[in-house]
Amino acid sequence: QQQVKQSPQSLIVQKGGIPIINCAYENTAFDYFPWYQQFPGKGPALLIAIRPDVSEKKEGRFTISFNKSAKQFSLHIMDSQPGDSATYFCAASNDYKLSFGAGTTVTVRA
Amino acid sequence: NAGVTQTPKFQVLKTGQSMTLQCAQDMNHEYMSWYRQDPGMGLRLIHYSVGAGITDQGEVPNGYNVSRSTTEDFPLRLLSAAPSQTSVYFCASSSPRTGAYEQYFGPGTRLTVT
Repeated sequence: QQQVKQSPQSLIVQKGGIPIINCAYENTAFDYFPWYQQFPGKGPALLIAIRPDVSEKKEGRFTISFNKSAKQFSLHIMDSQPGDSATYFCAASNDYKLSFGAGTTVTVRA
Repeated sequence: NAGVTQTPKFQVLKTGQSMTLQCAQDMNHEYMSWYRQDPGMGLRLIHYSVGAGITDQGEVPNGYNVSRSTTEDFPLRLLSAAPSQTSVYFCASSSPRTGAYEQYFGPGTRLTVT
C-alpha cells in the first residue's frame, strides 16, 4: 500500500504548456516532500523539495504547491520544454526513509 | 567524485541462483538505501542503513539481505532469485547534514530472473 498517491500516470503537453502533477499523503509524520526527475536509463535526481510549513516553493520553472490541511501537494512545470520530458516522482520523507509515489511520465511536444 | 556507483549494469539470473549487487559511494554519506523500481509502482524501499554496522528493513525486504561493513559500501544480496525479483535496482545515499530527503541515486542495475 503506497503511502504517497500520485496522479496522473502520464500526461502530454505542448511546448510552453504547464503540466501539473498531484500527490496526496496520509502520514502527518512526514517532514519533507521532495520531487525527483528521472530520464530513461538513469537514476532519479532531486529536483525540488518543500517543508510542510511552507505553502509554495519555486526553483526556476518548477513550482511546488503544498496544502497541509488537505495533505496534498503538486508540481507545476512552467513554460515546459521538450527537455523536460521525463518521469517525475513525488516523495515524502520520514526519518531516514523516502516513500515514493508511482510516478508520472511527462511528454512535452515541440 | 564518482558519486554513487553500481555494478553490474545488467544481469540475467536463473530461478534459484544467488548474486550480489554492488553499491559504493564516495561522498562520505551516512545513509544508504536500496530500492527496486517496477512499472506503475514507483520506487520501493528494500533495505536501508544509517551507518556502518546498522541496517534495517524497508517496505519489501523479503528475499534480500544487506550488510554495511564500511561507510562506502552497501551490497544487496539476492538469496535465491525468483522471477518476481525481475526489476531495476537503485542504490542511493544521503547525509543528515544536508537532509535525508536529498538522496543521490546510482545508475541502476537491471535484473532479469528467468
